[in-house]
Amino acid sequence: DAKTTQPPSMDCAEGRAANLPCNHSTISGNEYVYWYRQIHSQGPQYIIHGLKNNETNEMASLIITEDRKSSTLILPHATLRDTAVYYCIVRVNFGNEKLTFGTGTRLTIIP
Amino acid sequence: DAGVIQSPRHEVTEMGQEVTLRCKPISGHNSLFWYRQTMMRGLELLIYFNNNVPIDDSGMPEDRFSAKMPNASFSTLKIQPSEPRDSAVYFCASSSKFLRDEVNGSDTQYFGPGTRLTVL
Repeated sequence: DAKTTQPPSMDCAEGRAANLPCNHSTISGNEYVYWYRQIHSQGPQYIIHGLKNNETNEMASLIITEDRKSSTLILPHATLRDTAVYYCIVRVNFGNEKLTFGTGTRLTIIP
Repeated sequence: DAGVIQSPRHEVTEMGQEVTLRCKPISGHNSLFWYRQTMMRGLELLIYFNNNVPIDDSGMPEDRFSAKMPNASFSTLKIQPSEPRDSAVYFCASSSKFLRDEVNGSDTQYFGPGTRLTVL
């Protein structure tokens, strides 16, 4: 699986949009971009994933650049409960079941 | 659905003792994963099963660790004998390979709450 690079930490004001970047310059054509988060003392939680098109669900939006070398996770209206470590993971979906977690971005939502 | 269930939630034991961690995956899921999380190494995959069969155990640290999945609704991770360096949070996760959509390519893993193991 390709390696990802994320900033170690970010702050965001409550109610504002949180934009979390991820670089994956060596991503292969059949690799998807996944985002998980881990709230303190809990198991990781799936947020969203995509291949090349932008995606949106009830939790977040995922913007993938046209060359697929980077992506941004957007939490449109951050709340205090969004304080967590966010992991960007790239992986194939067929023949490789692993999730390889990096160090992620520690997002702190400030009241 | 209750989600992935793990027990115990906390375990404190002495070095040399046997430790057994348990996991009940989400009903209908056919893939099960054991992860370990420490401050030093982060989250790392230990082993995973598809249809109760171990597929990749390359992450299992050494022979003291063993995992079994006797049926689709139960798995154990055993450490014998335990050592202080085994202290960590152990997570179990499950997913359904058959729900994978070839267009969306999703086989989301759902994680349990974890077992916090302390070996004294």
